[in-house]
Amino acid sequence: GEDVEQSLFLSVREGDSSVINCTYTDSSSTYLYWYKQEPGAGLQLLTYIFSNMDMKQDQRLTVLLNKKDKHLSLRIADTQTGDSAIYFCAASEGGYQKVTFGTGTKLQVIP
Amino acid sequence: DAGVIQSPRHEVTEMGQEVTLRCKPISGHNSLFWYRQTMMRGLELLIYFNNNVPIDDSGMPEDRFSAKMPNASFSTLKIQPSEPRDSAVYFCASSFMGRGGNQPQHFGDGTRLSIL
Repeated sequence: GEDVEQSLFLSVREGDSSVINCTYTDSSSTYLYWYKQEPGAGLQLLTYIFSNMDMKQDQRLTVLLNKKDKHLSLRIADTQTGDSAIYFCAASEGGYQKVTFGTGTKLQVIP
Repeated sequence: DAGVIQSPRHEVTEMGQEVTLRCKPISGHNSLFWYRQTMMRGLELLIYFNNNVPIDDSGMPEDRFSAKMPNASFSTLKIQPSEPRDSAVYFCASSFMGRGGNQPQHFGDGTRLSIL
């Protein structure tokens, strides 16, 4: 089955860019997602990308996909203290709704 | 727009008791998912429904767990009897799956369950 891996922790200074990385194993993954979880809350969908895309930008967020290496990254420009949260990478096949989530990367933003 | 609504937000009960978690998916969504989140195991898919029919329940830990979806706007996850190791945050998520493609899942705020 699919396996999604992320580093557990990232610390950045306020105003810097954050880059959270993720790798997945199933080359047939069609949809790749980034979710954000704040303490005591559910997972909030930030953005997603189809496997036929290399990049997607949405305001301060940039998603890069390297399909050959099965590598996904999320870049947050001008990181703010409100961006402190756990970020989950996830992958699914197109015809099947089952989504595999990574373990989450805890982003700490230092003022 | 109302998101996925879960109740209760918190539940504390003694082991051996029956626990029922409830979920109202987003209107118009036809897929519903139950997840469990713990520090040790992360986010685990327990079961998912499509058009009210259970499609994959391979993640349900044991027979003490059961889930139903009697109609498109309501689902329950029941644990009977409950055990301390069932303590976790339980999330419900919903999405739309159609011929044009699958929409991302949207999550509720979860039920924090503590079994004493």
